[in-house]
This record gives sequence, C-alpha cells and structure tokens, in this order.
Amino acid sequence: DGGITQSPKYLFRKEGQNVTLSCEQNLNHDAMYWYRQDPGQGLRLIYYSQIVNDFQKGDIAEGYSVSREKKESFPLTVTSAQKNPTAFYLCASRVVFTGANVLTFGAGSRLTVL
Amino acid sequence: AQSVTQPDIHITVSEGASLELRCNYSYGATPYLFWYVQSPGQGLQLLLKYFSGDTLVQGIKGFEAEFKRSQSSFNLRKPSVHWSDAAEYFCAVGARLQGAQKLVFGQGTRLTINP
Repeated sequence: DGGITQSPKYLFRKEGQNVTLSCEQNLNHDAMYWYRQDPGQGLRLIYYSQIVNDFQKGDIAEGYSVSREKKESFPLTVTSAQKNPTAFYLCASRVVFTGANVLTFGAGSRLTVL
Repeated sequence: AQSVTQPDIHITVSEGASLELRCNYSYGATPYLFWYVQSPGQGLQLLLKYFSGDTLVQGIKGFEAEFKRSQSSFNLRKPSVHWSDAAEYFCAVGARLQGAQKLVFGQGTRLTINP
C-alpha cells in the first residue's frame, strides 16, 4: 500500500545532540512537508520541498535542517540550536487536485528532550 | 496573511447527538478549505475538502461541511456522533507562499464523546 513512513515513532534526545527524523513516501508525490505540532497550537510549517534538491523555509525553520536528495525521502534534522525541540513532528506529501494541495500525512514522530 | 480560527478548543457531546465544529478563515482570494481528523498519537486524515462548486460538501465517516463565503466560515457537521468520532479536528485553508501551495491550520478542536 502506498503511504508515508515516519521513523522512529518515539525518540529521546539529550540536550546538545542533533537528531534526524526519517520520512519516506512511495506515493510518487513531488512535494513534501514537515510540520511541528504542539498542544493547543495546531500545526506549524517547518520546511517544505517541491522538487528534488530544492527546499524552502516555513514559518519556524530556525534550529532545523532538511535535505531532499531523492524524491521519496525528506529527512528532518533537529539541531542543538532548536531551543524547545520536544514536540510531535508530522511529515506530509502533496497530491494536487485542480491546483490545490491535498496533503497526505505520516503517523508522526514524537521527540522528547531529556 | 492567511489564517484559520477554530473558536472551540474542546467540545463534549453525547453519543448520538448532532455535532457542529466551527471554522472561520481569513484569505483574500477564493479559498481551498479542508477538514482533517487526528486520533491520539497519529497523523492527520482528510475528512473532506472544498475547492469550488456546491458549497455543501460530503466527506468520509458521515461528515459534511458548508462553505459560507459571506461569513468566511467552513463549519463541520455530523447528524449523529459515534464514540469512535472522539479525536482532534483541524480546519485548514490552502494558501500560496513563495509560489507554492501550503496549508495553514487552525489550532484544532478536541472532541469528547459522552456515552
């Protein structure tokens, strides 16, 4: 079945460490997105990529980095510069209906900083 | 700037009762509107979407939503809720940023079902 796979499901990090969250899709979608979810704040866009080897910052990109070397993969690195990284991270990819986004989401990764 | 407001953070209804979740948006052009549902610890699932045409749209799981341009609203409704509908619901508007489409989400409404 086609879909988006995020790993790991749960991740614990010590302060000062970088961590990388994986996102893989087999939907043949061109665009991919990373969102951060905090209680009561909805989803906020971190980074997005419309094509391979290209990506743009979203609303809260500071302390994060991404790469898009393959169409199927869009990993997110949470760096030590991110001051409050504990959150639920959601990866999504896009199918276009009549010019509009319809996002398909992965199951998410929960990062906890110890 | 585009924005979405979901006025109700938490709603509790009894099983079998009707449901309406409110969503108001701010967007200068004709909006693309969405409702997503999220079960605890899971990703988001698309319930329904509005692009154009009939302002009353049907979705999965018996949900529907009505687009009212004059009120800038896109409220979600269900005639009779089931215990399995307990989840968090997000309204979103499709917006254009740096030449690309992105979704702007509301803060979410958590739905609790009383037996």
